[in-house]
Amino acid sequence: AQSVTQLGSHVSVSEGALVLLRCNYSSSVPPYLFWYVQYPNQGLQLLLKYTTGATLVKGINGFEAEFKKSETSFHLTKPSAHMSDAAEYFCAVSRSGGYQKVTFGIGTKLQVIP
Amino acid sequence: DGGITQSPKYLFRKEGQNVTLSCEQNLNHDAMYWYRQDPGQGLRLIYYSQIVNDFQKGDIAEGYSVSREKKESFPLTVTSAQKNPTAFYLCASSIALEFNNSPLHFGNGTRLTVT
Repeated sequence: AQSVTQLGSHVSVSEGALVLLRCNYSSSVPPYLFWYVQYPNQGLQLLLKYTTGATLVKGINGFEAEFKKSETSFHLTKPSAHMSDAAEYFCAVSRSGGYQKVTFGIGTKLQVIP
Repeated sequence: DGGITQSPKYLFRKEGQNVTLSCEQNLNHDAMYWYRQDPGQGLRLIYYSQIVNDFQKGDIAEGYSVSREKKESFPLTVTSAQKNPTAFYLCASSIALEFNNSPLHFGNGTRLTVT
C-alpha cells in the first residue's frame, strides 16, 4: 500500500519568507510524486512532478521539490513567498508498474501574511 | 483551449433526490475520475474509468453511480442512498490509466449542498 503524510494542515509565512511544505510518502516500489495547488473553489492544478532522473524538480510559479529516497520525503519549497501563493497544496503519490490509483495527502493550507 | 468542464458550479438539492453532476473533457484522455473533497480529508476516489463503457469503483463508491457512454463525458449521479452527500466534487482525467507518471487534469468542481 502507498500513503502520503503532509505535516501541518496550516502553514503561515510572511511575504518574502521561505515557503517549506512537508510531504513524506511510503511506497514499496519506486514512486511517482506530485504536488498540486488548489485556489479557493477551484480544481487542482499541477505544480510539479517527480518520475525518474534528477531529484530536484522545478515547477511553476518558482516552486521546487527535492526527492530524497533515504528520507522518503518530497518537500515543496519556494525561496520567497508572494501573496498570490496563498492556497491549499496537495502532495500525491502513485506507483510504477501497472495501474495504481493516485493517493493524495490531506493538504496544507498556506497563508501569506503581508 | 483543452480542459475539463464541470457543471453546474453550485448545486442545491433536497434530501432524498438523486442528482447528476456533469463532466466533459476535450483533452482526448482515455481515463477519467471522480473525487470527493471534504475539509481535512484530502481527495477520495469515488469512481474511475479507463475507457468507454468501462468503469470501476474507487474507495467510496457507495451511494454513487456513473456512466461512460462517450470518451468525452463521465457524469456522476449522487443517489439518495448516499448518507452524507454535501461535498465538493472534482472530476479529473489523465492520458491513460496505466501511465501512472501522467498528471491528473482537474475541472473546477461542483459544490453540492443537500438539505
